[in-house]
Amino acid sequence: DAKTTQPPSMDCAEGRAANLPCNHSTISGNEYVYWYRQIHSQGPQYIIHGLKNNETNEMASLIITEDRKSSTLILPHATLRDTAVYYCIVRVVDSPDSWGKLQFGAGTQVVVTP
Amino acid sequence: GAGVSQSPRYKVAKRGQDVALRCDPISGHVSLFWYQQALGQGPEFLTYFQNEAQLDKSGLPSDRFFAERPEGSVSTLKIQRTQQEDSAVYLCASSPRGRHQPQHFGDGTRLSIL
Repeated sequence: DAKTTQPPSMDCAEGRAANLPCNHSTISGNEYVYWYRQIHSQGPQYIIHGLKNNETNEMASLIITEDRKSSTLILPHATLRDTAVYYCIVRVVDSPDSWGKLQFGAGTQVVVTP
Repeated sequence: GAGVSQSPRYKVAKRGQDVALRCDPISGHVSLFWYQQALGQGPEFLTYFQNEAQLDKSGLPSDRFFAERPEGSVSTLKIQRTQQEDSAVYLCASSPRGRHQPQHFGDGTRLSIL
């Protein structure tokens, strides 16, 4: 079963902020939330990850609710090049050594329009 | 710096042939993952290496699939007696040592079985 729930698609106007929601109500205390995106014909690209605090880097911001049951990825100023499938992933922990395989869902297809 | 490199970029084979797909991870990355991505779906985990040790091969769909990383760097995914359902994009990812280090993906090999 998928551990995250995302809307199948979203449209966003160029230059505006894009807010991508993700529900992960069964997340465990030691599981991180990761975001990747995949542009057509390319491999997934790492965006950001976090545990419980909000995180920001040069690409995006990640807002995690206090109960950690949901999060939002924010692209502050969307461009046409941000059109991609965005995946919200909870890191699977199989053993104390944490192999860390990623379990992808269907993601959200984001289309940025001029 | 150089990212994860995969070759060939495209591979067409006839059903029943054997194929070999190569992955050159980022230099110094300890962990290496293989994923399979069917058309219109998210990537699915195949196998994981830590240096030269294959620690998880639970995602390999059958005994026709074999992966190796003999010197802890370059990895090869081999598929024997290919079948049409093996048609997919095969993605390789690597990450440095550390439980929550993000994985960095190559652009994949698109395999088509005729």
